Amino acid sequence: NAGVTQTPKFRVLKTGQSMTLLCAQDMNHEYMYWYRQDPGMGLRLIHYSVGEGTTAKGEVPDGYNVSRLKKQNFLLGLESAAPSQTSVYFCASSRDRGVYTGELFFGEGSRLTVL
Amino acid sequence: GENVEQHPSTLSVQEGDSAVIKCTYSDSASNYFPWYKQELGKRPQLIIDIRSNVGEKKDQRIAVTLNKTAKHFSLHITETQPEDSAVYFCAASMNTGNQFYFGTGTSLTVIP
Repeated sequence: NAGVTQTPKFRVLKTGQSMTLLCAQDMNHEYMYWYRQDPGMGLRLIHYSVGEGTTAKGEVPDGYNVSRLKKQNFLLGLESAAPSQTSVYFCASSRDRGVYTGELFFGEGSRLTVL
Repeated sequence: GENVEQHPSTLSVQEGDSAVIKCTYSDSASNYFPWYKQELGKRPQLIIDIRSNVGEKKDQRIAVTLNKTAKHFSLHITETQPEDSAVYFCAASMNTGNQFYFGTGTSLTVIP
């Protein structure tokens, strides 16, 4: 049981390049999230998904796209990277909010630098 | 949307002393308030949470209190130890949505 796994762990991009971050969870969780973490800014929600085939915008969605074609995977894409997207990205998953606690299980993070 | 404010941003305490971190939220519909601990270079992990129908919850040396009227909640750590040194995040969410809104974090240093 690996929990939440993110790839890659580190990446350096040039302005204008594109890339995809992959998040995989093996806990059969319905909900998945992408956050970015910047110094002094806490964790800000980029996009989230409440189930396979669904996605929704969070607090800071501009410049990012996501897809959830399979329940266990949640992809975050940057079509044209900008220096402002230099950050640490965390994927998270949770079961549901009804019976369970709603606890977020985070991946290890992906450090992205855009030059 | 919800706005969560967290104070202080940094906190240093002597080992054995208590530490208190405070958060306020703006949306009265929020009803679930978790606290996450993030050690240096690691992922955030849930340490305690509280629902809006409860005023206080304890788990060994940590406790969380909630004041719904004032829309604020606090994390209390007693008998602090060096391994308590980390960044702590509060968050708020509601049953009708699936978004968790985080505070900006408090960097706690416990001085041996």
